[in-house]
Amino acid sequence: AQSVTQLGSHVSVSEGALVLLRCNYSSSVPPYLFWYVQYPNQGLQLLLKYTSAATLVKGINGFEAEFKKSETSFHLTKPSAHMSDAAEYFCAVSGRFGNEKLTFGTGTRLTIIP
Amino acid sequence: DAGVTQSPTHLIKTRGQQVTLRCSPKSGHDTVSWYQQALGQGPQFIFQYYEEEERQRGNFPDRFSGHQFPNYSSELNVNALLLGDSALYLCASSLNHFGQGGEQYFGPGTRLTVT
Repeated sequence: AQSVTQLGSHVSVSEGALVLLRCNYSSSVPPYLFWYVQYPNQGLQLLLKYTSAATLVKGINGFEAEFKKSETSFHLTKPSAHMSDAAEYFCAVSGRFGNEKLTFGTGTRLTIIP
Repeated sequence: DAGVTQSPTHLIKTRGQQVTLRCSPKSGHDTVSWYQQALGQGPQFIFQYYEEEERQRGNFPDRFSGHQFPNYSSELNVNALLLGDSALYLCASSLNHFGQGGEQYFGPGTRLTVT
């Protein structure tokens, strides 16, 4: 069984400040890990994914995440927040074999303070 | 290149009715997955179709059924609608490559309201 836990359902940061969204995973097999972003009334857009290559993964819009096996974590960061980053962010996990289903966390709503 | 498309955008149904949602995958993709996203929650996996067969299923009752057509498009059917079925239904497509999972691309979703 696989699961992810997102710590903090709401995070607020000032424009220009560091963004840190936390995700811890549980998996009985080596996982694939993903971060998705969802803007209001829209579907999900993939920000980045970890598939066992480099542990530091760079994604779109300046986001990156680091896979830490010892901490079972995959936290999402961005050095400088922009107003356009305000959205809902979801961490997800899947297995590595076949077209595995995605198991999502409950999401973190990011608010940017001007 | 068209991405994943879903229809309709919004739908209002009454308890007990049946509904059909439709999804066209991204060009070149052969696998379709369906997710239910209740308000304020993360998406929950319903099922996945590949080669016109249901390959995986999440923890959803038999009232939820689906179909995949030869052109890879897919339908999600829900019978005997309950108020709790109100949600955003997301379709995701991917390419099955030698049995390995591909990146899932999501459509904009269908907002279903059951009254």
